[in-house]
Amino acid sequence: QQQVKQSPQSLIVQKGGISIINCAYENTAFDYFPWYQQFPGKGPALLIAIRPDVSEKKEGRFTISFNKSAKQFSLHIMDSQPGDSATYFCAASKLNTGNQFYFGTGTSLTVIP
Amino acid sequence: KAGVTQTPRYLIKTRGQQVTLSCSPISGHRSVSWYQQTPGQGLQFLFEYFSETQRNKGNFPGRFSGRQFSNSRSEMNVSTLELGDSALYLCASSFRGTGNSPLHFGNGTRLTVT
Repeated sequence: QQQVKQSPQSLIVQKGGISIINCAYENTAFDYFPWYQQFPGKGPALLIAIRPDVSEKKEGRFTISFNKSAKQFSLHIMDSQPGDSATYFCAASKLNTGNQFYFGTGTSLTVIP
Repeated sequence: KAGVTQTPRYLIKTRGQQVTLSCSPISGHRSVSWYQQTPGQGLQFLFEYFSETQRNKGNFPGRFSGRQFSNSRSEMNVSTLELGDSALYLCASSFRGTGNSPLHFGNGTRLTVT
């Protein structure tokens, strides 16, 4: 059973456009929500993360929006660049219960020049 | 600082054999986790070790096992390999291992079972 559901599976965006990836979860015990970026042949790398006590977090062109009541969170990539072409994974974990993360199934983003 | 190192990068095994994968975490990181990555399934949690103790285990059969040594290096073993075990196996280390500390992934071991 997938504890974190991610959509879309793939996304094609023009350079300069906004890329939006959505995730939803069911377990209200989750209290840490990171996003990871993975390039071909490489392991995932942390991009940005949010706690449920804030509704939005921005780092450069990357923003996480968090809706606690809807149990949804999303990644927005502003001014998308060809170098952003990668696979993105959302994830969720519970604090202080070890380091077990539940990942979404991934979104393959292609930014067309 | 050196990143997470996984060996070997590629492995081809036959059904029924067993395999051992190795992971060297970032120096000072005591938490080491293992994930299985397959197309369409994303990353599935296998297990996590902290100071040589298994703290969490995912929903995988007992054929999947692991261990961590006193220097934090970790190994993962899969016995009686099945075709469905073909996947990218990722190791990740973390400094605190508290559930909100970043995972630092290696580049994985690509296992193919024929």
